[in-house]
Amino acid sequence: EIVLTQSPGTLSLSPGERATLSCRASQNVGKNYLAWYQQKLGQAPRLLIYGASSRATGTPDRFSGRGSGTDFTLTISRLEPEDFAVFYCQQYASSPLTFGGGTKVEIK
Amino acid sequence: EVQLVESGGGLVQPGGSLRLSCAASEFTFNNFWMNWVRQAPGKGLEWVAIIKKDGTEELYADSVKGRFTISRDNAMKSLYLQMNTLRPEDTAVYYCAGGVGWLITSWGQGTLVTVSS
Repeated sequence: EIVLTQSPGTLSLSPGERATLSCRASQNVGKNYLAWYQQKLGQAPRLLIYGASSRATGTPDRFSGRGSGTDFTLTISRLEPEDFAVFYCQQYASSPLTFGGGTKVEIK
Repeated sequence: EVQLVESGGGLVQPGGSLRLSCAASEFTFNNFWMNWVRQAPGKGLEWVAIIKKDGTEELYADSVKGRFTISRDNAMKSLYLQMNTLRPEDTAVYYCAGGVGWLITSWGQGTLVTVSS
């Protein structure tokens, strides 16, 4: 099973600042099958990034993903008020599919 | 994008059973692999099970293997999760989710399952 470890657990930032979220895998994620989801309070998750770096339909270009192998990063270049939420990485390369524990981006 | 609506959640006693349903609005439902993903109160996301487009392959998380069964009816554009021998730790919001291959692109709003005496 591929274990995904996200850091930090919580990120306290102000609107306009840059956010950098990390996701580390316990073993190589084949074909970079790594996705990022955003979940706002009381809502279902929403796909932001797939294939480690491809933006899903409707994802603003201030969101970018990068990485390969075992180390992945989600960057939000300038935080907008609607971006504050919990972000999860997920690997879909092998079963069982696994999620990271999440990073909460909160308003400072 | 597929629109997904779950139903069937509720309160059940430990050891009991429950069947969740998910109705899809998209006519290409049979092009999607479908999943159940759950989220315990205040916790993160946990993948539960996945079923192939034509229903010929199923995979499960170890935590539910042997107790839960995922199934689908493509003619009815519906996904199901039969949950048996429920435990308190199965308490969660259960999301129906689908996508291309194993990538989840669409999520329902979830249905709450509470296992308690």
